[in-house]
Amino acid sequence: KAGVTQTPRYLIKTRGQQVTLSCSPISGHRSVSWYQQTPGQGLQFLFEYFSETQRNKGNFPGRFSGRQFSNSRSEMNVSTLELGDSALYLCASSMEGYQETQYFGPGTRLLVL
Amino acid sequence: AQSVTQPDIHITVSEGASLELRCNYSYGATPYLFWYVQSPGQGLQLLLKYFSGDTLVQGIKGFEAEFKRSQSSFNLRKPSVHWSDAAEYFCAVGVKTSYDKVIFGPGTSLSVIP
Repeated sequence: KAGVTQTPRYLIKTRGQQVTLSCSPISGHRSVSWYQQTPGQGLQFLFEYFSETQRNKGNFPGRFSGRQFSNSRSEMNVSTLELGDSALYLCASSMEGYQETQYFGPGTRLLVL
Repeated sequence: AQSVTQPDIHITVSEGASLELRCNYSYGATPYLFWYVQSPGQGLQLLLKYFSGDTLVQGIKGFEAEFKRSQSSFNLRKPSVHWSDAAEYFCAVGVKTSYDKVIFGPGTSLSVIP
């Protein structure tokens, strides 16, 4: 069974731009969660999508948004990028949610200049 | 507020030695508890999890963890460390508030001396 895939793996943007990251979960998984990982703040939960609906969210500004498609693939969008948005963005999928085993993708490393 | 602490930022052990990584959490109820490992350039891999039942949990790669409610701890152990265990280890807590979410600890970096 293929694992969680994330595209692109690396991305360089400038302040003020917007970016869209993509995550393809493991086949059959309906829950997709997004995390931001930085050296200073560690791993922080962004949001979770389940059956095309945002079910849970962390404490991030509205510039961070996402969506999930009917095939469970998910996208995350960050608008008006700031230098502090430079991070590794990880996607994780599971069958039903956080209480189950989450399988993580390799991440997308975003650098904002 | 819910939180997870991992008191040791970095630990160095010799190959073959035993290992214990500490994790403490703050949460009003019994949480879901997880240990993840992240190797350089890789995503996170679940080592083990605790939801209920036996407080000693066995995981992959020879790891185990013990939930101690009285100490709000979930320490990870391995009897004999291998060089390939060098990685970053994260303790995590699943909590139910207005939203369900997973809170990660700051991580412990493990170095293994051959």
